[in-house]
Amino acid sequence: DVKVTQSSRYLVKRTGEKVFLECVQDMDHENMFWYRQDPGLGLRLIYFSYDVKMKEKGDIPEGYSVSREKKERFSLILESASTNQTSMYLCASSTPTGGRETQYFGPGTRLLVL
Amino acid sequence: DQQVKQNSPSLSVQEGRISILNCDYTNSMFDYFLWYKKYPAEGPTFLISISSIKDKNEDGRFTVFLNKSAKHLSLHIVPSQPGDSAVYFCAASGTGTASKLTFGTGTRLQVTL
Repeated sequence: DVKVTQSSRYLVKRTGEKVFLECVQDMDHENMFWYRQDPGLGLRLIYFSYDVKMKEKGDIPEGYSVSREKKERFSLILESASTNQTSMYLCASSTPTGGRETQYFGPGTRLLVL
Repeated sequence: DQQVKQNSPSLSVQEGRISILNCDYTNSMFDYFLWYKKYPAEGPTFLISISSIKDKNEDGRFTVFLNKSAKHLSLHIVPSQPGDSAVYFCAASGTGTASKLTFGTGTRLQVTL
């Protein structure tokens, strides 16, 4: 079974703080993704990575950065947290199969920025 | 622009009846479609998928139908069970999207007793 874990289920941070969200997958997947989920907006892609040290912007990268130093680990960084970054953050991973990928998700981190 | 649309934010169905969740897409390059189910405070879990070379795929109580000419897909759950109550997301990918999925906004299904 694919296992994707996220370092925290709930986080409360203050405006301006630097926030790190960690994601680890145990299935040797090449691709990893960070999404945020907001009511009425579905899942929106922030960043993704298809290899170690490689990253590509998704649809809403502003205010975020990522790091992938090891294949199994993908970190999302909020350089200076703002209240509009309060959201559910979801990490996913997949193996590239020519456009037929199934992404496997972690349990999510609910972040509240005060 | 919303390339994958789920126009019904919520749906209520009685236990034992059929649930039909709908999804429309606008990008002609999409050729692979997935449905995910999400419970509160959990990550989405994969449910079923369909490739554009098919118009139907079945897995137990779940069937996905694809109408390429209408750019429409639907998920049928028969019979619906209380444990099916969740938010359902449809997602799409295609050639040139580099493993990315584009998600709809979700439909909250409530199965009542």
